Amino acid sequence: DSGVTQTPKHLITATGQRVTLRCSPRSGDLSVYWYQQSLDQGLQFLIQYYNGEERAKGNILERFSAQQFPDLHSELNLSSLELGDSALYFCASSPRVQGNTIYFGEGSWLTVV
Amino acid sequence: GESVGLHLPTLSVQEGDNSIINCAYSNSASDYFIWYKQESGKGPQFIIDIRSNMDKRQGQRVTVLLNKTVKHLSLQIAATQPGDSAVYFCAENIGAGGTSYGKLTFGQGTILTVHP
Repeated sequence: DSGVTQTPKHLITATGQRVTLRCSPRSGDLSVYWYQQSLDQGLQFLIQYYNGEERAKGNILERFSAQQFPDLHSELNLSSLELGDSALYFCASSPRVQGNTIYFGEGSWLTVV
Repeated sequence: GESVGLHLPTLSVQEGDNSIINCAYSNSASDYFIWYKQESGKGPQFIIDIRSNMDKRQGQRVTVLLNKTVKHLSLQIAATQPGDSAVYFCAENIGAGGTSYGKLTFGQGTILTVHP
């Protein structure tokens, strides 16, 4: 158990809908990361927050957004969902903004039908 | 551009053998590398890391080798066990001074299968 908690573990939703994925980082970790894993793209970095502020952005679609709250938990919002958004979404956390090990949660399986 | 290159090869070994998983990276600015293990239905699990000022680091049954000259990283697993069966990813981070912060770039993964 990495200490990173993600909810929900699985969800199925229809195209055009909006979902929110939630992440609680390891105790004491200030950085939160979101990654998307799909069969064709592998593990892709989406976005990083550090102590509430966005610090790095990857190939995150404009339909997706994230935030980190004062209690350091984070949410990833996915809107206007398309079939191609079906993937495993991972949250990860680390103590600092860079240069240290990143620990992953178990992921949220999203299926868009 | 930034990339850590694995072409999803498959490595099949017998229990007790040593395994070597390879990874090529392309960004000379990367200064921190991590190996992760991912079992089916689970998140990537940290195995071992190495910084660019080192060329070798050992853990429990695992060794990571870094060759910056040819931009190559390898993971050696000693006395491989069936429980080691998983997908293994290398990842790189561009460190201090860049704007990538904690962003990791992952390779495509290698499937390791250990036969009893």
